[in-house]
Amino acid sequence: KQEVTQIPAALSVPEGENLVLNCSFTDSAIYNLQWFRQDPGKGLTSLLLIQSSQREQTSGRLNASLDKSSGRSTLYIAASQPGDSATYLCAVRSTDSWGKLQFGAGTQVVVTP
Amino acid sequence: DTAVSQTPKYLVTQMGNDKSIKCEQNLGHDTMYWYKQDSKKFLKIMFSYNNKELIINETVPNRFSPKSPDKAHLNLHINSLELGDSAVYFCASSPRTGVPGELFFGEGSRLTVL
Repeated sequence: KQEVTQIPAALSVPEGENLVLNCSFTDSAIYNLQWFRQDPGKGLTSLLLIQSSQREQTSGRLNASLDKSSGRSTLYIAASQPGDSATYLCAVRSTDSWGKLQFGAGTQVVVTP
Repeated sequence: DTAVSQTPKYLVTQMGNDKSIKCEQNLGHDTMYWYKQDSKKFLKIMFSYNNKELIINETVPNRFSPKSPDKAHLNLHINSLELGDSAVYFCASSPRTGVPGELFFGEGSRLTVL
């Protein structure tokens, strides 16, 4: 059974620092991995989707890497801003469960001005 | 021009009542989902429909019944509500072409059972 873990559970950084968020999963047989952002009381916003054949994806200040064999993904956010404060969730889609996205518990990020 | 929309956004009701949450997507996706986010913010899948056909049905009490009148709509009906049903329910959709695609979520429906 796939298990997804995110460390740390919470993170506070001063504005301008780079953020590094970690996600690990136990079963490397995945279709893809998706990173989301969730603001308090809001829905999930998709940030990046990495297919199992890819090593990384980039969008603006965001870069996500995927090491499928070791079961790890890292989300980098460059030059953090207070507006980056949110909970970041990673989710994996295993090949034995086509539609089912397995979520981690999230990393709560606070960027202080 | 919301892609995945849910109604109502907030729902407060008494134990024992029956309630429904509606979801609509205008992305042209074939697959829709219901996820539950509990008080610890953990997201767990409940159901998934592909083109009106149920494809995922997790271990959910049979008081929960999804209904998909067409591929753009997936509603969730809950009978005999219990305190433990209080949570935020998220609808999502994704394309179904080859490799599973990106999931898009609605804003969520916060259900409070008193």
